[in-house]
Amino acid sequence: AQSVTQPDIHITVSEGASLELRCNYSYGATPYLFWYVQSPGQGLQLLLKYFSGDTLVQGIKGFEAEFKRSQSSFNLRKPSVHWSDAAEYFCAVGTGGGNKLTFGTGTQLKVEL
Amino acid sequence: DAGITQSPRYKITETGRQVTLMCHQTWSHSYMFWYRQDLGHGLRLIYYSAAADITDKGEVPDGYVVSRSKTENFPLTLESATRSQTSVYFCASSGKLAAAYNEQFFGPGTRLTVL
Repeated sequence: AQSVTQPDIHITVSEGASLELRCNYSYGATPYLFWYVQSPGQGLQLLLKYFSGDTLVQGIKGFEAEFKRSQSSFNLRKPSVHWSDAAEYFCAVGTGGGNKLTFGTGTQLKVEL
Repeated sequence: DAGITQSPRYKITETGRQVTLMCHQTWSHSYMFWYRQDLGHGLRLIYYSAAADITDKGEVPDGYVVSRSKTENFPLTLESATRSQTSVYFCASSGKLAAAYNEQFFGPGTRLTVL
């Protein structure tokens, strides 16, 4: 069965600083990978996704993520964080066929002004 | 309005009561899912449905019942609510093509408190 690890429960960065949120997955084949963001009291919004092809994917709000097969990772990055990026971020993995997504436990991002 | 909606958005109930959470989508998506979100656990799948009248258990199905008589609706029922079912519940849906890649679209969530 697949699994997802987000090793950082909380991260605090200063506004304007760069950001990297870590995500590691466990799955025998190439998975489908997702990053979602959840603002307080809101639902989940899809930031970006990886299915195949170029391992660097661009998403909304200036986010990008890189799939590294050798490290089983799909880390999320943003070059300059804005205060409005404060939220909880979830990495998820899917194995196709309409099956479930497996989510990590989330990383809470705090942005200091 | 188009999209996926959940009702109610907030619900407080008492232990032992039956509660039904509603999920409605206007995309005619084949797949629908129910997740619960708890601190330290992320989102965990409760039940999912591949089409009307086809449902299957997820990771944490105990204490929950689902039905899907119409493609657009996927209600989740807590037959006898317990405090451990206090959580935020998310419904999601996926079309057949998107489902092949596990791309799901989420509703706004229902915050349920069981006293």
